[in-house]
Amino acid sequence: GDSVTQMEGPVTLSEEACLTINCTYTATGYPSLFWYVQYPGEGLQLLLKATKADDKGSNKGFEATYRKETTSFHLEKGSVQVSDSAVYFCALSSGGSNYKLTFGKGTLLTVNP
Amino acid sequence: ETGVTQTPRHLVMGMTNKKSLKCEQHLGHNAMYWYKQSAKKPLELMFVYSLEERVENNSVPSRFSPECPNSSHLFLHLHTLQPEDSALYLCASSQEFLGGGETQYFGPGTRLLVL
Repeated sequence: GDSVTQMEGPVTLSEEACLTINCTYTATGYPSLFWYVQYPGEGLQLLLKATKADDKGSNKGFEATYRKETTSFHLEKGSVQVSDSAVYFCALSSGGSNYKLTFGKGTLLTVNP
Repeated sequence: ETGVTQTPRHLVMGMTNKKSLKCEQHLGHNAMYWYKQSAKKPLELMFVYSLEERVENNSVPSRFSPECPNSSHLFLHLHTLQPEDSALYLCASSQEFLGGGETQYFGPGTRLLVL
């Protein structure tokens, strides 16, 4: 079945540091890949997505590239801010009759001033 | 503003109580979802509705009973819950439920505590 593995947290960084949160997946066919973010006390928000191999999703300075050969979708940001402190979830959807979103366990990021 | 609202935001209930969670989406979507988010576990999909018909029930105990009276509203009726049901319950919607690339839009969740 489909599965998503993302790096264990928590991750603590200083402001302006570089961020990478690793995400690898197992899926049948050609899934769509997502990063969702959950700020404290809120629900999940879509951060970015990619629907086919080699696509790069980007938003708010975050980027992730769909790498089919390594089945990965790592989240990166060159310079984090305190306001980026949140839980980040990698997810996939295989589509067709398997429409469900499969989530990773989430990675807590804390950015200190 | 995600366009998906949930009420109440917080709920404390005893094991013998009956309560309902409400979700409303203002996005004109055709599919709605209930998820359970527990500490240190991946999100668990509970129910999916498409065009007001239930299309998924992920082996959820019968003490959770969903209702979708129209494509904009989704309820989760709760009765005789257990303490291990304490969690954040998230509602989401998407334009359709097939297609794979569909983005799901989440509400802020209801934080439930069962005593």
